[in-house]
Amino acid sequence: SQTIHQWPATLVQPVGSPLSLECTVEGTSNPNLYWYRQAAGRGLQLLFYSVGIGQISSEVPQNLSASRPQDRQFILSSKKLLLSDSGFYLCAWSVQQGIYGYTFGSGTRLTVV
Amino acid sequence: AQSVTQLGSHVSVSEGALVLLRCNYSSSVPPYLFWYVQYPNQGLQLLLKYTSAATLVKGINGFEAEFKKSETSFHLTKPSAHMSDAAEYFCAVSDVDSSYKLIFGSGTRLLVRP
Repeated sequence: SQTIHQWPATLVQPVGSPLSLECTVEGTSNPNLYWYRQAAGRGLQLLFYSVGIGQISSEVPQNLSASRPQDRQFILSSKKLLLSDSGFYLCAWSVQQGIYGYTFGSGTRLTVV
Repeated sequence: AQSVTQLGSHVSVSEGALVLLRCNYSSSVPPYLFWYVQYPNQGLQLLLKYTSAATLVKGINGFEAEFKKSETSFHLTKPSAHMSDAAEYFCAVSDVDSSYKLIFGSGTRLLVRP
């Protein structure tokens, strides 16, 4: 069966520090991968999606970047965190894009202080 | 452009009462529709999905939703609320125009009173 792993679960980082969140999927090949952010009291914002290794599409210009170095690995990064980067970050995967829905990871709670 | 509107950011019901969470979508082509549930500090879990088969879709935990094309709606219902149903619920739509990326509504927080 397919599983998705996301870590760390919680992270407290100072302003200006770098960020690296990792997401991996097991049990499938060539998944579509997504990074979402939930800010407090707000809905889900799609940040990046990827349909293959090295193929990244950015939905919203911001202080973050994403990379897909391997088929089932998706990394969210920042060189210098801002207070506004705080939120709950969710990774998700799908086959055939959204036809069957997405499967989400358990999320990372990022607090920038 | 595709969009999803969830009426009511908060819905409160008594335990044992009917749960009705509203979702309206806009799509110019046949849509795929989904309901997800999110418990605090957890990821989203798929409750049910409509993929152009039966218009009444049954999901997990006793939830169901009915696709009504004429009303562009996909409301989520459960006959009898349980305390464990307290969570945030998201409706989502995808279609060929969005390249099948999911477009989410803003969410509805369900509160269940004892």
